[in-house]
Amino acid sequence: SQKIEQNSEALNIQEGKTATLTCNYTNYSPAYLQWYRQDPGRGPVFLLLIRENEKEKRKERLKVTFDTTLKQSLFHITASQPADSATYLCALPFSGGYNKLIFGAGTRLAVHP
Amino acid sequence: NAGVTQTPKFQVLKTGQSMTLQCAQDMNHNSMYWYRQDPGMGLRLIYYSASEGTTDKGEVPNGYNVSRLNKREFSLRLESAAPSQTSVYFCASSETGRSWETQYFGPGTRLLVL
Repeated sequence: SQKIEQNSEALNIQEGKTATLTCNYTNYSPAYLQWYRQDPGRGPVFLLLIRENEKEKRKERLKVTFDTTLKQSLFHITASQPADSATYLCALPFSGGYNKLIFGAGTRLAVHP
Repeated sequence: NAGVTQTPKFQVLKTGQSMTLQCAQDMNHNSMYWYRQDPGMGLRLIYYSASEGTTDKGEVPNGYNVSRLNKREFSLRLESAAPSQTSVYFCASSETGRSWETQYFGPGTRLLVL
């Protein structure tokens, strides 16, 4: 069955550095992948979608890569700020249908001043 | 626009009690979803409604029922709550239900079953 793995340990970085979060998946070859941000006590908020033929996508200080050979997506935040502290979730479509998503457990990012 | 709203924000139940979680969206979306989120396990799909009048089971439907009351509203019912149903419940919606679309989430309902 499909499986998504995100680093369960929190990532602690200093302000101004680049944060890199990893999303690995198995038993599947999705055509696209989404990233969401979740703040404590709130629902997830969509950030970016990347398609399998895009390899890399950017939005302001965010960059996502998608390596279908490694079955991995990397999510980068450059020039990180304390306001970037949150949990970041990756999501893939269910292999059995096009109208459902499966979410990873998320990685918590803490950016320290 | 309020987006996706959920009520209540927090609820404590005793084992065996029933309750209904309410969800409404004002974005004229066709598809709506119910997820539960537990520590270390991510969001898991309970039920979804691809369009008004249809509902389908997700990954973890046991112990739950849903009603798509109209295009705006999608409720989740626990008929006989169990401690294993202690979780945070999120409702979400998307425009037509295709998995490449953005899902918009509500603020969540935190449920504690004693």
